[in-house]
Amino acid sequence: KAGVTQTPRYLIKTRGQQVTLSCSPISGHRSVSWYQQTPGQGLQFLFEYFSETQRNKGNFPGRFSGRQFSNSRSEMNVSTLELGDSALYLCASSFTGGAPGELFFGEGSRLTVL
Amino acid sequence: AQRVTQPEKLLSVFKGAPVELKCNYSYSGSPELFWYVQYSRQRLQLLLRHISRESIKGFTADLNKGETSFHLKKPFAQEEDSAMYYCALSKGNRDDKIIFGKGTRLHILP
Repeated sequence: KAGVTQTPRYLIKTRGQQVTLSCSPISGHRSVSWYQQTPGQGLQFLFEYFSETQRNKGNFPGRFSGRQFSNSRSEMNVSTLELGDSALYLCASSFTGGAPGELFFGEGSRLTVL
Repeated sequence: AQRVTQPEKLLSVFKGAPVELKCNYSYSGSPELFWYVQYSRQRLQLLLRHISRESIKGFTADLNKGETSFHLKKPFAQEEDSAMYYCALSKGNRDDKIIFGKGTRLHILP
């Protein structure tokens, strides 16, 4: 099976712009979770989608949003970018979602905000 | 809210010495606990989960509900164990999210 695919892998934006990141889960996986990874904070949970519905949400401002399509592909959007949004954004898919399911991670999208 | 704490950002251990990566959690219910590992230039991947009670690559982890800990141990460190290790928790509900600690970088010295 192909692994979790994230696009784009790298991108540079300026403050105030918006960005959309894409994630294609492993075939058959219906749950997609998004995480923000930074050196100081580790992995912070953004949100999780299951069957096109947001099932769980982390403690991020409303500038961070996401959606899931009928084919389980997911996108996340960050509006009005701030310098602190620079991070590696990881997407993970799973078959069951949550415990005891195993998360399969993509390679991430590295966002730099100037 | 549940929380995962990994007190050490960096742990340096000599090859052949025992390894213990600490993980403490806060959650009043019965959690599911995991260890994930990220080797250099590789994706983050599951190492082991407590419900499986398995040993993977020589690593084991025991859930101690009294101390709310899930420390990762290996009796003899190998150079290929150098990586970033994350402890993770889920409430045990199949619909719940998985949250991670901040991670510990394990550096095995030759």
